[in-house]
Amino acid sequence: QKEVEQNSGPLSVPEGAIASLNCTYSDRGSQSFFWYRQYSGKSPELIMSIYSNGDKEDGRFTAQLNKASQYVSLLIRDSQPSDSATYLCAVNARGNKLVFGAGTILRVKS
Amino acid sequence: DAGITQSPRYKITETGRQVTLMCHQTWSHSYMFWYRQDLGHGLRLIYYSAAADITDKGEVPDGYVVSRSKTENFPLTLESATRSQTSVYFCATQSGVGANVLTFGAGSRLTVL
Repeated sequence: QKEVEQNSGPLSVPEGAIASLNCTYSDRGSQSFFWYRQYSGKSPELIMSIYSNGDKEDGRFTAQLNKASQYVSLLIRDSQPSDSATYLCAVNARGNKLVFGAGTILRVKS
Repeated sequence: DAGITQSPRYKITETGRQVTLMCHQTWSHSYMFWYRQDLGHGLRLIYYSAAADITDKGEVPDGYVVSRSKTENFPLTLESATRSQTSVYFCATQSGVGANVLTFGAGSRLTVL
């Protein structure tokens, strides 16, 4: 079992819709959870971090964390074509390391 | 310029040659990381460093060597390159603003023929 799992996609949504990206992790001791966005040919950039159960909102983005289910999600409201990218879920592991999922490709159709 | 710089951005080499990828940061962050990114695997940690002269293995360290003689530099060396090391390599620092928050360099695309 991979430490961090994501559906590779692509996930296609129409412009203006809500995109829902999901991630599961295996280490119950993980405390820090991140979503990175990566445009094609570019480096990953942090868009959301979440450390406690529940929802965290930042503009059009909402991160959701459920530690009991070992599940992290990212919702993107009012999706725009500029949101088309690969979204990487990352979870902290022992030794101050981050473990990344393989990423979900999101395509927003105008 | 402030930030994290990787060089070279693109490199083509042959099997068996030694290659060094450079990473330089201007922030004096303690932690630095090297990841490789391959299709279907996402980012995989090769090595990381908690401070000057302190390095540790990540998930896929075989075939790689690192050093950290100065806080700002964290070079990654492939001692004898193999085709399986064809990849995009990202260096990152931990910003310290919140636990485990990483900032990445622009990446180095390495092709081993």
